[in-house]
Amino acid sequence: GAVVSQHPSWVICKSGTSVKIECRSLDFQATTMFWYRQFPKQSLMLMATSNEGSKATYEQGVEKDKFLINHASLTLSTLTVTSAHPEDSSFYICSASLIAGGPYNEQFFGPGTRLTVL
Amino acid sequence: QKEVEQNSGPLSVPEGAIASLNCTYSDRGSQSFFWYRQYSGKSPELIMFIYSNGDKEDGRFTAQLNKASQYVSLLIRDSQPSDSATYLCAVEEDSSYKLIFGSGTRLLVRP
Repeated sequence: GAVVSQHPSWVICKSGTSVKIECRSLDFQATTMFWYRQFPKQSLMLMATSNEGSKATYEQGVEKDKFLINHASLTLSTLTVTSAHPEDSSFYICSASLIAGGPYNEQFFGPGTRLTVL
Repeated sequence: QKEVEQNSGPLSVPEGAIASLNCTYSDRGSQSFFWYRQYSGKSPELIMFIYSNGDKEDGRFTAQLNKASQYVSLLIRDSQPSDSATYLCAVEEDSSYKLIFGSGTRLLVRP
């Protein structure tokens, strides 16, 4: 099956600093990558959809200037949490998909990045 | 707002029993439906997908879809303690490729 990696797997940072999370599709070229956030005991909430070479599409309520997404290639997308605050502490998960126009488009999930902001 | 509803549980079943997990969705245009399993602290892993009305079986898992009732379910036969996890129902939003996740049902399989 397709493999998606994330780096780092966990990070602790001070309030006010910026943190970059990488998402890579290791064995396929992903036309689309998705970024999710999951708070404890809650479900995954889609933050943004990212297509290679174009601007990300953010979900309602997600600040695009705070959560910067760059999808530089078909195998790499990055999420930068700028000026992080304790309320940004969460589990950030990316997924990658090959939109092939079929009846479904499976998303392959990365292992997640746990961010703790002190 | 498009929604996916699941009972949060926990659903507790004895080992060897059938576990039945249910999910309803609001977007009539949705065509693809997914069940993911998520262990604590881990990211979701796909168990099954279904896009045609009826049943789809894969080993101990059976997904059932009823688009008229906007209902999708997952049956786990011969439940094992290792099946204890949170099961997330996800619905692909019509024509957008985005997944809308339910809040998940926590399943506990008692030895």
